[in-house]
Amino acid sequence: DQQVKQNSPSLSVQEGRISILNCDYTNSMFDYFLWYKKYPAEGPTFLISISSIKDKNEDGRFTVFLNKSAKHLSLHIVPSQPGDSAVYFCAAPTYAGGTSYGKLTFGQGTILTVHP
Amino acid sequence: IAGITQAPTSQILAAGRRMTLRCTQDMRHNAMYWYRQDLGLGLRLIHYSNTAGTTGKGEVPDGYSVSRANTDDFPLTLASAVPSQTSVYFCASSDLGKDTQYFGPGTRLTVL
Repeated sequence: DQQVKQNSPSLSVQEGRISILNCDYTNSMFDYFLWYKKYPAEGPTFLISISSIKDKNEDGRFTVFLNKSAKHLSLHIVPSQPGDSAVYFCAAPTYAGGTSYGKLTFGQGTILTVHP
Repeated sequence: IAGITQAPTSQILAAGRRMTLRCTQDMRHNAMYWYRQDLGLGLRLIHYSNTAGTTGKGEVPDGYSVSRANTDDFPLTLASAVPSQTSVYFCASSDLGKDTQYFGPGTRLTVL
């Protein structure tokens, strides 16, 4: 059961245009979401996050939107740059036994290619 | 500050052999995690440790074991490797009460 889904395996955009990466989730208990970026031969790096008490969080060129009723979030990159070409993962933490440590459930990832 | 280091960078292993992937962090984070990344499946949690001396099973723990003797080290052992364990393995850590995890560079493992 894939609780976090990224249904687009790849996305190709032109430099300067907007990139929109989508993520859907099924678990209504998720209340916090993270986006990670991964370059080839490197580990994922944290990009931006959003709490369910918000519907938008912005950090420079990156904005994440959350639609709780649709169980959908999206990452917008404006303007897109060739250096943004990477794999993007959305993730959500779950908690068990009252622990403070969230175990992340990741989506399948979307490969973004930004053409010069 | 190195963050998280993993060794080896890559390894080719014969089926049935034992292998330990090493992970060390210098951030003094309490929690550590092991994931495997497979095409089309994203990252899946294998095992985790909330603090030194404790470990727990993730989504795909079969065939793997971990130990957490101290805060810094979190080795992952494949007791008898099988070809389905061919994957890229990532170690990660997080601080108390924080959801953001920091990842190592990964180990690419091929089991033949």
